[in-house]
Amino acid sequence: DQQVKQNSPSLSVQEGRISILNCDYTNSMFDYFLWYKKYPAEGPTFLISISSIKDKNEDGRFTVFLNKSAKHLSLHIVPSQPGDSAVYFCAASRGSGGYNKLIFGAGTRLAVHP
Amino acid sequence: DVKVTQSSRYLVKRTGEKVFLECVQDMDHENMFWYRQDPGLGLRLIYFSYDVKMKEKGDIPEGYSVSREKKERFSLILESASTNQTSMYLCASSSLTGSDSPLHFGNGTRLTVT
Repeated sequence: DQQVKQNSPSLSVQEGRISILNCDYTNSMFDYFLWYKKYPAEGPTFLISISSIKDKNEDGRFTVFLNKSAKHLSLHIVPSQPGDSAVYFCAASRGSGGYNKLIFGAGTRLAVHP
Repeated sequence: DVKVTQSSRYLVKRTGEKVFLECVQDMDHENMFWYRQDPGLGLRLIYFSYDVKMKEKGDIPEGYSVSREKKERFSLILESASTNQTSMYLCASSSLTGSDSPLHFGNGTRLTVT
């Protein structure tokens, strides 16, 4: 039973437009959420995170929104650039400490085309 | 910058062989993790370790064991490799108090079991 779900395996967006990647979770005990980005032949790298006490966190072109009542979070990339083409993983944990286990979704492959 | 190094990028092994996957991190992190990544399933936690000589089972430990004799090194062992263990294996590390970026990943080892 997947506790973190990314229901869209792929997304295609035109350069300059907004990319919206979605993630749903089932465990109400999760209180810390992260997005990782993965290029082929590389390990995932951290992108942005949000604590459950917030509903929005912004870092440059990247914004994560959290809707706790719906158990849903989304990553917005504005404007999208070709270099953003990668697989994006949503992850969740109980607590924000580095000792906490992260539960990952299946990933969404984003393609940004000119 | 944290560096997590996995000793092999590609490995091809035969069914029944004993396989060692090695991981070294250079940031004195307390925690180390082994994940496997499979299409449609995302990253799943196999084993993790909070300290030297200690280990904890993750979500899919069957068929695997680990060793952590030194703080910087975490080894994943497949006692008798099987074809369903063909996968991308990712090692990660984190500090006890790291919050915004709890996991730093290596570039992965793609293991094929024939």
